[in-house]
Order: sequence, then C-alpha cells, then structure tokens
Amino acid sequence: EAGVAQSPRYKIIEKRQSVAFWCNPISGHATLYWYQQILGQGPKLLIQFQNNGVVDDSQLPKDRFSAERLKGVDSTLKIQPAKLEDSAVYLCASSVGAGELFFGEGSRLTVL
Amino acid sequence: AQSVTQPDIHITVSEGASLELRCNYSYGATPYLFWYVQSPGQGLQLLLKYFSGDTLVQGIKGFEAEFKRSQSSFNLRKPSVHWSDAAEYFCAVGARPDSSYKLIFGSGTRLLVRP
Repeated sequence: EAGVAQSPRYKIIEKRQSVAFWCNPISGHATLYWYQQILGQGPKLLIQFQNNGVVDDSQLPKDRFSAERLKGVDSTLKIQPAKLEDSAVYLCASSVGAGELFFGEGSRLTVL
Repeated sequence: AQSVTQPDIHITVSEGASLELRCNYSYGATPYLFWYVQSPGQGLQLLLKYFSGDTLVQGIKGFEAEFKRSQSSFNLRKPSVHWSDAAEYFCAVGARPDSSYKLIFGSGTRLLVRP
C-alpha cells in the first residue's frame, strides 16, 4: 500500500515570496491533516479536512496560509507571503476516521 | 483542553540499557494515546497506540507502554536499547471520535544512545 506522498521535500525561498506544498493521502482516507513542525517542537495542527470540507482551521494563520482539497483527495498548502518564522517542516497526514494518523515524510521549508 | 507533556527534552542511555520516556496528558475522558518516532529527515512512524482494554500495550521494535489513568501517564519503555533507536519520540493524545478528531502532540524527547 502506498503511503502519504508529499512534495517538494525541500524548499528554500526569500521572505515575502510564496510557496506551495502538495500532499496525496493514502487511498480511501477521508481525513487529511496539515501539521507544522518547527525545529525542536512537536507537530502543531494547521488544518484538518474531512473529504473536501474543512473541519478545523483554528490554528491556521489565515492572513498568509491557505489550503484546499478540492476533490477530496490530494491537497495543497500555500504560504504567501512567507515570513522567517514559517521555516519549518510541513507534515501531511491522513486517517480513516478516528485512530492512527499516517504521516508523509514532510516538506522542509527554509525562509531566508 | 487536551495537552501532552513530555518533561524530558533529551535522554542519553548506553546501548543495551533499559529506557523509559515519560508522557503525561490532560484530557477529560479516556483518551486515545500514541507514541510516534521520528528519525532525522523522516516523517513520524507509529510505535504503538492505546484505545482501550489492556493497559500495557506492545508496539513495534520491542517497545511497550503502560497507560496509568490515576497518573494521567503513558510512559514508553524498552528493556534493551539499540543504537538504531536514537531518534526523537513524540507522545500524542487524541479525543474520542467526533467530527473534529485530531492528535495533539507533546514537544518530544530526543534519545541519544552511547555505544
């Protein structure tokens, strides 16, 4: 069974530029999550989708972050404009209902 | 509100020694509990989980964890550590199923293994 796919693995940008990350969850997983993991910290939930609807985006900085999951399968997380503090690993995860989350390898963002 | 505390930022053990990583959670009811491991540059891999039933759960790679409701703890243990166990370990708590089920993670414990 294929795991959660994320791209790109690494991205370096200047502050105020934009960046987009892509995630393809495990087939059949209705729930998709984007987590932000800053160096030395645990993952923090940014947004949660159930199929193509947003369930929780309370910790998403909506002035600069956006995410979509138009067809209820893959998802894109965008940051525009990026700030230095956005440097982090962005982890995508998926699950079948409540229970175990399966994580991708993450997209590491460096903002200079 | 749900929260997870991992009081040890770093732990160093000698190869072959036993290991215990601490985790305390805050949640109003019986939670779902998880331990994940993250190797450098990798995503998170599930070690074990507790949903209900036997409070001592076995996981992969020889790890086990014990749920203690009275102490709000879910400590991870391994009787004999291998050099390949060096990684970061995260405890997480999940609420009972509802429309907004998600995991809340602790800040992690970095395990270093001395040869």
